[in-house]
Amino acid sequence: DAKTTQPNSMESNEEEPVHLPCNHSTISGTDYIHWYRQLPSQGPEYVIHGLTSNVNNRMASLAIAEDRKSSTLILHRATLRDAAVYYCILRATIYGGSQGNLIFGKGTKLSVKP
Amino acid sequence: KAGVTQTPRYLIKTRGQQVTLSCSPISGHRSVSWYQQTPGQGLQFLFEYFSETQRNKGNFPGRFSGRQFSNSRSEMNVSTLELGDSALYLCASSLVWGGGNIQYFGAGTRLSVL
Repeated sequence: DAKTTQPNSMESNEEEPVHLPCNHSTISGTDYIHWYRQLPSQGPEYVIHGLTSNVNNRMASLAIAEDRKSSTLILHRATLRDAAVYYCILRATIYGGSQGNLIFGKGTKLSVKP
Repeated sequence: KAGVTQTPRYLIKTRGQQVTLSCSPISGHRSVSWYQQTPGQGLQFLFEYFSETQRNKGNFPGRFSGRQFSNSRSEMNVSTLELGDSALYLCASSLVWGGGNIQYFGAGTRLSVL
């Protein structure tokens, strides 16, 4: 899997939007961009994923740059419960291939202030 | 629908002992992956099973092994425990094997080796 680069930490105020950036300049044409988060004392949790177009779900939005070399996870209104480590991961889309596992980087630790 | 269940949640062992951890995937999921999480190394992939066959393996010594049963439940075993094996062991299940799928994680088993 190609490498991603994220800031080590970010801070946000409660009820304000949060934009978490991720750089992936070596992304290949078939790599999906996945985001997972890990709340304290829990296992990682799937947040969102996309290929080329921006994506929305009930948890967040994913904005993907036109050249796909970067993306941004958007939490529209941060809550205290969103304080977690957020991981940006590139996943190959070829089923049956050898890359079934997730390769986690260090992620971004998001702190949310009341 | 029940999530991924890992047992036990906590475990204390001494050096040289062996340990077996259990993982029950989400009903209908046939792929199970195992990860080790430590403060120093972060989340690292151990192995992935699909239809009772190991499909992918991370860079861990042979003391770490696993298996999957016909009902998709999985176990991982660590023999001759070392202090450095103290970690949170996470299991994740997914519908299919290979890239592009979403993995659902359990809460983990925290192993302490004394």
